[in-house]
Amino acid sequence: EVQLEQSGGGLVQPGGSLRLSCVASGVPFSNFEMNWVRQAPGKGLEWISYISSSGNIRDYAESVKGRFTISRDNARNSLFLEMNSLRVDDTAVYYCAILGDWSTSWGQGTLVTVSS
Amino acid sequence: DIQMTQSPSSLSASVGDRVNITCRASQNIGRFLNWHQQKSGKAPKVLIYSASNLRSGVPSRFSGSGSTNDFTLTISNLQPEDFATYYCQQSYGNPRTFGQGTRVDI
Repeated sequence: EVQLEQSGGGLVQPGGSLRLSCVASGVPFSNFEMNWVRQAPGKGLEWISYISSSGNIRDYAESVKGRFTISRDNARNSLFLEMNSLRVDDTAVYYCAILGDWSTSWGQGTLVTVSS
Repeated sequence: DIQMTQSPSSLSASVGDRVNITCRASQNIGRFLNWHQQKSGKAPKVLIYSASNLRSGVPSRFSGSGSTNDFTLTISNLQPEDFATYYCQQSYGNPRTFGQGTRVDI
């Protein structure tokens, strides 16, 4: 069974930066496409970023394009999200996720709060 | 992007009821449709993948059906622990997209 363990997050001032991490176990990580999904307080699920299994294809929602960078280290079974120029409306719980078929899985989530 | 539209956005039900939640895709997605359950303050949990396949460990009162554009999640014999928000999600193409959610409460 796939397990995704997240770390990072916390409180940051507007304009600041944070790095989120996600470590996978139970599956050959390098075989899987990965995503970041966020959920603002009281809102639904919003996909924000995708990376292919090899890491050579990346995609971003318009809301984060140019500010966030997704990356992965297949040797360390790890996924990352570098978040820069954070805004108040980036406040949310962030999830790493595999959004395929049998392998669909979620991390436990990490809270990012952007506030002065 | 593929748009996913769920209905209803919320519903009230009682223990023992049968509940149907529908999800419509803006284009043909075959059977590339997952259903997720999210309880308050918790991460989502996948219930159904590929439209009708029950994830291991998920009770058999949950079932999924449909293909192409229209899909249904059915909860038969609703239990107290089933009160939650449910999301559909297409896995046909990138970016992955979600329905807006259906809240099931008493």
